[in-house]
Amino acid sequence: GAVVSQHPSRVICKSGTSVKIECRSLDFQATTMFWYRQFPKQSLMLMATSNEGSKATYEQGVEKDKFLINHASLTLSTLTVTSAHPEDSSFYICSALGTGGTGELFFGEGSRLTVL
Amino acid sequence: GQSLEQPSEVTAVEGAIVQINCTYQTSGFYGLSWYQQHDGGAPTFLSYNALDGLEETGRFSSFLSRSDSYGYLLLQELQMKDSASYFCAVGDSGSARQLTFGSGTQLTVLP
Repeated sequence: GAVVSQHPSRVICKSGTSVKIECRSLDFQATTMFWYRQFPKQSLMLMATSNEGSKATYEQGVEKDKFLINHASLTLSTLTVTSAHPEDSSFYICSALGTGGTGELFFGEGSRLTVL
Repeated sequence: GQSLEQPSEVTAVEGAIVQINCTYQTSGFYGLSWYQQHDGGAPTFLSYNALDGLEETGRFSSFLSRSDSYGYLLLQELQMKDSASYFCAVGDSGSARQLTFGSGTQLTVLP
């Protein structure tokens, strides 16, 4: 099956710094990737839809200037959390659509961000 | 908007059968999916129903009734490794790919 790789899996940073998370589709091209955020014991909340070669589409309530998304190629999307604060600590997960037409999303392994 | 409801917790013993229900309200509908997530891990795809009826994949089956805005995931011959969170998700009015997830059901399988 399709493989989506996410890096780093864990990151700890100081408040005020920026953190970049990469999401790669390893064996297929993904024109669209999705970024989710998940707090402990809660559901996945869609943050934004990342489109290759164009601007990302952000969900209501998600600050586009704080969560910068770049989808520079068909296999790579990046999420940069700028000026991170402790409340940004969360599990960030990317996903890409499989090619089978079943609506199956393939998820990356997730990145756990802890802001001190 | 979209909303999905599923039970927060379910407990069962090894070898038993468990049904996790999901009701949804969406402005559009492009299929009901089910995902499994173990603690600390990423969600993994289990099943997808675009049409009414039952889809069977090994020990897992998923059912959809579009007229009732209802579906369920059926897990048979439960194993300890099935302990995880299970999320239903619907493709919304914009795209089958853009999913809205339910709040998740924590399944605990006891020996």
